Amino acid sequence: GIQVEQSPPDLILQEGANSTLRCNFSDSVNNLQWFHQNPWGQLINLFYIPSGTKQNGRLSATTVATERYSLLYISSSQTTDSGVYFCAVDTNSGGSNYKLTFGKGTLLTVNP
Amino acid sequence: NAGVTQTPKFRVLKTGQSMTLLCAQDMNHEYMYWYRQDPGMGLRLIHYSVGEGTTAKGEVPDGYNVSRLKKQNFLLGLESAAPSQTSVYFCASSPSGAWGYTFGSGTRLTVV
Repeated sequence: GIQVEQSPPDLILQEGANSTLRCNFSDSVNNLQWFHQNPWGQLINLFYIPSGTKQNGRLSATTVATERYSLLYISSSQTTDSGVYFCAVDTNSGGSNYKLTFGKGTLLTVNP
Repeated sequence: NAGVTQTPKFRVLKTGQSMTLLCAQDMNHEYMYWYRQDPGMGLRLIHYSVGEGTTAKGEVPDGYNVSRLKKQNFLLGLESAAPSQTSVYFCASSPSGAWGYTFGSGTRLTVV
């Protein structure tokens, strides 16, 4: 199956700093998503981004499908950004068996 | 609008006992998923369903069974619990399987 590697595994920032999280995948994908899991365990979908660039407030994401990687940018980080960020992909190009394969995540800690 | 509701939130089982985890969604989503999350492993797909009456195996299906008799409910069963099934279980739903994932708040299961 497809391999999803995220880096770095851990990241500690001071409030206000910027960061870049990376997701590499081993095969062509038709779906790539970024999720945030807050310290209480809740998972929230951040971006659906199989290709191109999207922005939502202080967060933006870029996927270069031909080079098999995606980047999540967090600018002016806040303590509420702390948690685990997951990249998830799907290689399905047709039919109905859509399912996501998750990376192991990047644990982000933002200190005040 | 409750979204995705998982019950119970916590449970302790003895080895060999059985139990059922319930996932209910009120968004009329076609796709539903069960994942398990273990430290350092990300989320791994157990079973999933692409519509009422359908089920399919994911990455780690052994020791689990599922049923989706009603569109809004997806049940995960453990027939004979083992300590290796100690984990946090997450249910998710999606309208299309490709985007719009909504996760429940998780069930923390301990098997002793």
